Amino acid sequence: SQQGEEDPQALSIQEGENATMNCSYKTSINNLQWYRQNSGRGLVHLILIRSNEREKHSGRLRVTLDTSKKSSSLLITASRAADTASYFCATDGDSGYALNFGKGTSLLVTP
Amino acid sequence: GAGVSQTPSNKVTEKGKYVELRCDPISGHTALYWYRQSLGQGPEFLIYFQGTGAADDSGLPNDRFFAVRPEGSVSTLKIQRTERGDSAVYLCASSLWGGETQYFGPGTRLLVL
Repeated sequence: SQQGEEDPQALSIQEGENATMNCSYKTSINNLQWYRQNSGRGLVHLILIRSNEREKHSGRLRVTLDTSKKSSSLLITASRAADTASYFCATDGDSGYALNFGKGTSLLVTP
Repeated sequence: GAGVSQTPSNKVTEKGKYVELRCDPISGHTALYWYRQSLGQGPEFLIYFQGTGAADDSGLPNDRFFAVRPEGSVSTLKIQRTERGDSAVYLCASSLWGGETQYFGPGTRLLVL
């Protein structure tokens, strides 16, 4: 069963704009990860944020985590056409290792 | 270094046939995971190996599905008597230890006719 939910389901922006995606989850976590997927194939790991962290940066990516609200957000700044992909958040939930994914946010960045 | 590799990339089979999907994890990674992703959905956990043993196979949908990792490296996911509902992308991931960052392979797209 899907434990996480990304919001919005689809997002369309122009190059140079910022893209914000949100994720909500249900159980307590050790960490939360964001992945990108192109064309329904392999997932590329973007960033991991631990439950005791509130914010993390990696290049143009900024992730926040609010464990009291069981939510996270992924911000992509100065988006590029190459950022077009599906983005998933994944939590480790009860097991600590089995990732629980949402349905993802489909991001389209147009030139 | 090399990432996670999976073979074949695509597999087309007929209902009732047996298939094997192979995963070659990142060298040195002790943990290996299998997930299944249906169209429009996120990946769903199937099984987790720590070393050679299946530490958690609670995600396997039924007893037609089985996975092995005999030497603690390469893993094979085996599906018996395939059904059309088994059609999906099967993803493999590995991590240094259980609970660490998981790195995914490109997946095997299985189509059961």
